[in-house]
Amino acid sequence: GESVGLHLPTLSVQEGDNSIINCAYSNSASDYFIWYKQESGKGPQFIIDIRSNMDKRQGQRVTVLLNKTVKHLSLQIAATQPGDSAVYFCAAYDQAGTALIFGKGTTLSVSS
Amino acid sequence: SAVISQKPSRDICQRGTSLTIQCQVDSQVTMMFWYRQQPGQSLTLIATANQGSEATYESGFVIDKFPISRPNLTFSTLTVSNMSPEDSSIYLCSVEPARTYGYTFGSGTRLTVV
Repeated sequence: GESVGLHLPTLSVQEGDNSIINCAYSNSASDYFIWYKQESGKGPQFIIDIRSNMDKRQGQRVTVLLNKTVKHLSLQIAATQPGDSAVYFCAAYDQAGTALIFGKGTTLSVSS
Repeated sequence: SAVISQKPSRDICQRGTSLTIQCQVDSQVTMMFWYRQQPGQSLTLIATANQGSEATYESGFVIDKFPISRPNLTFSTLTVSNMSPEDSSIYLCSVEPARTYGYTFGSGTRLTVV
């Protein structure tokens, strides 16, 4: 079946470093991808998205890269701050294009 | 983006009982989605709720265990029936107000079954 997965369950960085969180997906028909941030006790929050007709999209301190050839996307966080500590999920729509399928999540820990 | 209010935020329930979780959205939406997040895990879609029709359940989830109501375009409930400790999870309501930004999520209901 369809799956969306992340390579590493945890990532620890120092404040000020750049963080890279990776995700692989299985459905080659997926055309829209989203990164979410989930802080403790809260629901997931939208960070950034990318459509399959792009290979890079930048936001404020975040960049998402999409490699459709190997079905891989990554989230880059520049100058990571303690407030970035959270669980990060990638998500893609299912084959029907209606439901979001979530990856397993990477816990980012930022130490100062 | 839409604002979602979910109640209760947390509850501790006895096994064998049922809990109904409410989800209120501040705007009309066609589809509402219910997810389960088991401890330390990712989000798994339980069902999609459309107003005026029966909910569509994902594999592994059945209506008898997770009955859903969708009486109007701004409200839905999810009931967790005949609970067991394995049902201890966070249950999240979400909507898709616009395809541009994916789903908006409520803050979730943290359920503990003892």
